Amino acid sequence: GQNIDQPTEMTATEGAIVQINCTYQTSGFNGLFWYQQHAGEAPTFLSYNVLDGLEEKGRFSSFLSRSKGYSYLLLKELQMKDSASYLCAVTHYNKLIFGAGTRLAVHP
Amino acid sequence: GAVVSQHPSRVICKSGTSVKIECRSLDFQATTMFWYRQFPKQSLMLMATSNEGSKATYEQGVEKDKFLINHASLTLSTLTVTSAHPEDSSFYICSAREESTNYGYTFGSGTRLTVV
Repeated sequence: GQNIDQPTEMTATEGAIVQINCTYQTSGFNGLFWYQQHAGEAPTFLSYNVLDGLEEKGRFSSFLSRSKGYSYLLLKELQMKDSASYLCAVTHYNKLIFGAGTRLAVHP
Repeated sequence: GAVVSQHPSRVICKSGTSVKIECRSLDFQATTMFWYRQFPKQSLMLMATSNEGSKATYEQGVEKDKFLINHASLTLSTLTVTSAHPEDSSFYICSAREESTNYGYTFGSGTRLTVV
């Protein structure tokens, strides 16, 4: 089966940096996704990692280590609108399997 | 970019009735679509994989006779919740595979189902 772990909740201050970790175990792995989801809405694509290393995209960066089954999402210069759930998802053959999600609260 | 349209966005139905949710790929053909369910403050749980022209593949614990999936064309998959009960109230989201956008997975906007 698949196992994806990420923290349930995190809090951070506006303007700060926060790192959300994700560990996974799965077969048929092709890549790892990070999504942002606001309550009652569909998830929004943030990043995709297939090779080891860091992918940077504006204020968001994502890192992957395939050998360690580990990824993190780094959010810089936090804004209030970044308060949302962040979902780590891994491919299991052609399926996309989600972790439980991390609810991030950004405070002034 | 690839767009997936999901309807309805919200539906309220009485216990015992059936509800159909549609998922359409607007500008691409999707041989595979996925149906997820999300309860409040929980993550997306994969229910089934919908394959065009063949039977859907259901995840363990999902009742195939209760959640009927039809993928009759390359642009349309439907999920019918049969004999709905209040515990079926949830947020249902579909996803379609399109290789050129978002590395393959595009999501619909979701359907909020409330069974009263």
